[in-house]
Amino acid sequence: DAKTTQPPSMDCAEGRAANLPCNHSTISGNEYVYWYRQIHSQGPQYIIHGLKNNETNEMASLIITEDRKSSTLILPHATLRDTAVYYCIVSPVNAGNNRKLIWGLGTSLAVNP
Amino acid sequence: KAGVTQTPRYLIKTRGQQVTLSCSPISGHRSVSWYQQTPGQGLQFLFEYFSETQRNKGNFPGRFSGRQFSNSRSEMNVSTLELGDSALYLCASSLTGLITEAFFGQGTRLTVV
Repeated sequence: DAKTTQPPSMDCAEGRAANLPCNHSTISGNEYVYWYRQIHSQGPQYIIHGLKNNETNEMASLIITEDRKSSTLILPHATLRDTAVYYCIVSPVNAGNNRKLIWGLGTSLAVNP
Repeated sequence: KAGVTQTPRYLIKTRGQQVTLSCSPISGHRSVSWYQQTPGQGLQFLFEYFSETQRNKGNFPGRFSGRQFSNSRSEMNVSTLELGDSALYLCASSLTGLITEAFFGQGTRLTVV
């Protein structure tokens, strides 16, 4: 399974866009890019996922490079409540048997007033 | 609708004992995954059950086992507890499987003394 590389921490001013990068240079053709976040003392929360096209939902936008080796999660107008650890994970949707899933340590995003 | 429910929320056990954790998924979700979270290692995938069958497995020793019942509720068992098993154990349920739009519970905080 592909591993991902994320910066350990980032800062963002409240109201500005937060752009969180993720490298997944060994991603396979059938693997999706997923983003989750974990606010302190809570379980992770699903944000968005995509295969190769850019995706947008009410929470965020996901930009995947054409070669699929990296992606960026964009929170268009960050608020203090977006302060969390953000995880980028790659996995096939229809996982076969004995598929190991690697989360890593994520990016700790601090949104400052 | 009700979210993912994990019981108990907190647990203290003695080294060498065994423990069973429970997870009730969102109604209609057949996939249940388990994770261990520690400050140093982050989120580590334990295993996934789908329709009562273990479909995916991470890199944990055989002391960690699980099962899923016909109503999709899942239990995780850890035998011969070690101090290093102290962690937050998270359960996630998904309609389609693994981490596609998965919903996480609040977790069970296990402390081994």
